[in-house]
Amino acid sequence: QVQLRESGPGLVKPSETLSLTCTVSGDSISPHYWSWIRQPPGKGLEWIGYIYYNGHTNYKPSLKSRVTISLDTSQNHFSLKLSSVTAADTAVYYCARQTRLVLGSSAESFDYWGQGTLVTVSS
Amino acid sequence: DIVMTQSPLSLPVTPGEPASISCRSSQTLLLSNGYNYLDWYLQKPGQSPQLLIYLGSNRASGVPDRFSGSGSGTDFTLKISRVEAEDVGVYYCMGTLEPFTFGGGTKVEI
Repeated sequence: QVQLRESGPGLVKPSETLSLTCTVSGDSISPHYWSWIRQPPGKGLEWIGYIYYNGHTNYKPSLKSRVTISLDTSQNHFSLKLSSVTAADTAVYYCARQTRLVLGSSAESFDYWGQGTLVTVSS
Repeated sequence: DIVMTQSPLSLPVTPGEPASISCRSSQTLLLSNGYNYLDWYLQKPGQSPQLLIYLGSNRASGVPDRFSGSGSGTDFTLKISRVEAEDVGVYYCMGTLEPFTFGGGTKVEI
């Protein structure tokens, strides 16, 4: 059974860098895409970005200047760094696996999610 | 970015009765390969979201057949033929063209 688990500090100070890791078990990092998604308290979902097993990344344009997603295939985990955080970055952060469920399409769906971790930005 | 708009925001339902949620995208999600790049997710209270429907109308593994997705282009619908108590939560549509964008969510409650 595929499982994803987010880990990292639950409290980050304004202007500092948020760092989270998603550890994957029951599956290999390759050959999937892996995403980070966040959800501010009481609000909807926002995709942050993804990384492919070969290191290719794609980020939401409005976050691109502050986001870095990386992976460590030897540890079977991938990570998120979000710099210069503000209170607006307070959210539950989820990691998720993308899978192409129909070979004839290029569409990727989020078929496995972590349980999420709350990160609060506050001094 | 593609903007996804869901309606209604809140949907009171009665067990055993049907329910329907609408999702509209600001650009077509129908590609030349014939697929609609639209997924539906359900976030049950206190849980992570789970995939219900992919490519507009395909039920994900383990999803009951009372859930169905339809529509094409910019207008999509998620239908529950007979609502059960376990179906409560927030439903999100998501365009699977990059950058991925979610609708604002529809809260289904009994």
